[in-house]
Amino acid sequence: SQQGEEDPQALSIQEGENATMNCSYKTSINNLQWYRQNSGRGLVHLILIRSNEREKHSGRLRVTLDTSKKSSSLLITASRAADTASYFCASSGSYQLTFGKGTKLSVIP
Amino acid sequence: EPEVTQTPSHQVTQMGQEVILRCVPISNHLYFYWYRQILGQKVEFLVSFYNNEISEKSEIFDDQFSVERPDGSNFTLKIRSTKLEDSAMYFCAIRTGGNPGANVLTFGAGSRLTVL
Repeated sequence: SQQGEEDPQALSIQEGENATMNCSYKTSINNLQWYRQNSGRGLVHLILIRSNEREKHSGRLRVTLDTSKKSSSLLITASRAADTASYFCASSGSYQLTFGKGTKLSVIP
Repeated sequence: EPEVTQTPSHQVTQMGQEVILRCVPISNHLYFYWYRQILGQKVEFLVSFYNNEISEKSEIFDDQFSVERPDGSNFTLKIRSTKLEDSAMYFCAIRTGGNPGANVLTFGAGSRLTVL
């Protein structure tokens, strides 16, 4: 089964800085998604990138996908304190999503 | 109003007891999922449910687990005889992606299960 693994496990930055999180997966995918989870809450979908895409933007989010390396990155630009959360990548080859362990992002005001 | 409502938000139970977790989507959906997250760990897939049948299940989803959609609306996860290691946050999700291959999921807020 696919498995997303994010790094770093934890990231602490100052407000206004950019945050980059990486994800690796093991098998072929149809798409890769990123989700956000605030403490004690459910996951919220942020962005999806298809296997035939290399880069995608949505607001302050930028996602890249390198299928040859089976890796993806999520960049959050101009971070805000409200971006503090855990971020998970999820690989999709069938109808289920396989999540990684997540990156815990702390944005310090 | 959230698209997926889960009840209870928190349940404490004794080891060996049966637990039923409920999920109610706002509108009719065909694809349902249960995931769980042990505190501080990754989100693990349990089971997917399509058109009133299990479509996929993980190794975690053993004979102690079952799912059903008793009245065509509610979607339940039952754990027959809980173990300490079943303590986790259980998330229900529905597929809301428009394209068939774009399985974007919308999650409920979760039900926290504590087994003593």
